[in-house]
Amino acid sequence: EVLLLESGGGSVQPGGSLRLSCAASGFTFSSSAMTWVRQAPGKGLEWVSAINAGGTTTYYADSVKGRFTISRDNSKSTLFLQMESLTAGDTAVYFCTKGTSPAAIDSFAFWGQGTKVVVSS
Amino acid sequence: YELTQPPSLSVSPGQTASISCSGEKLGDKYSSWYQQKPGQSPILVIYQDNKRPSGIPERFSGSNSGNTATLTISGTQAMDEADYYCLAWHSGTVVFGGGTKLTVL
Repeated sequence: EVLLLESGGGSVQPGGSLRLSCAASGFTFSSSAMTWVRQAPGKGLEWVSAINAGGTTTYYADSVKGRFTISRDNSKSTLFLQMESLTAGDTAVYFCTKGTSPAAIDSFAFWGQGTKVVVSS
Repeated sequence: YELTQPPSLSVSPGQTASISCSGEKLGDKYSSWYQQKPGQSPILVIYQDNKRPSGIPERFSGSNSGNTATLTISGTQAMDEADYYCLAWHSGTVVFGGGTKLTVL
């Protein structure tokens, strides 16, 4: 069974930083591309960032480019999202997702339960 | 790049619900669809335009041509009441539609 367990969310002041983690199990993590998706309160889904299986290729939404960094530790089956210079607009639930195939970063078959990030003074 | 969905749609139980997703030359890309109920994580219901993941009922189907992708729910049930989002890959990024709230009444 595929399991994705996000952690690291919390409350942070504007301008602050936070590091999200996603512990994966039930599949070969080192062979799978991974993606972060977020959802602001009462709003729709927003794609944030993706990374290929080897961690050598990354993709970012324009809204987070230059502030967020996606990375992974394949030895620990863990995905990360380092978030810097946070603003109120980054307040959201952040979901870790896995694609429909190992290389897929355009369709998400598995989702974690999400971790909540609140940026407020 | 934008994907446009109707904000809401209402259907009666047993009727067919068709949710549209419009974008420039969307038919040239793969689309996928997600169902999200309040307080829950999204669930993939259609991918690569018309494929159903295991466990998704046959009443869910998809199509994609021209500028419009469509999610069709045949014989809609009360349990299908949810928000639905389309998605497509465009120029190195993923784009979600704004979502459609499906009401079954």
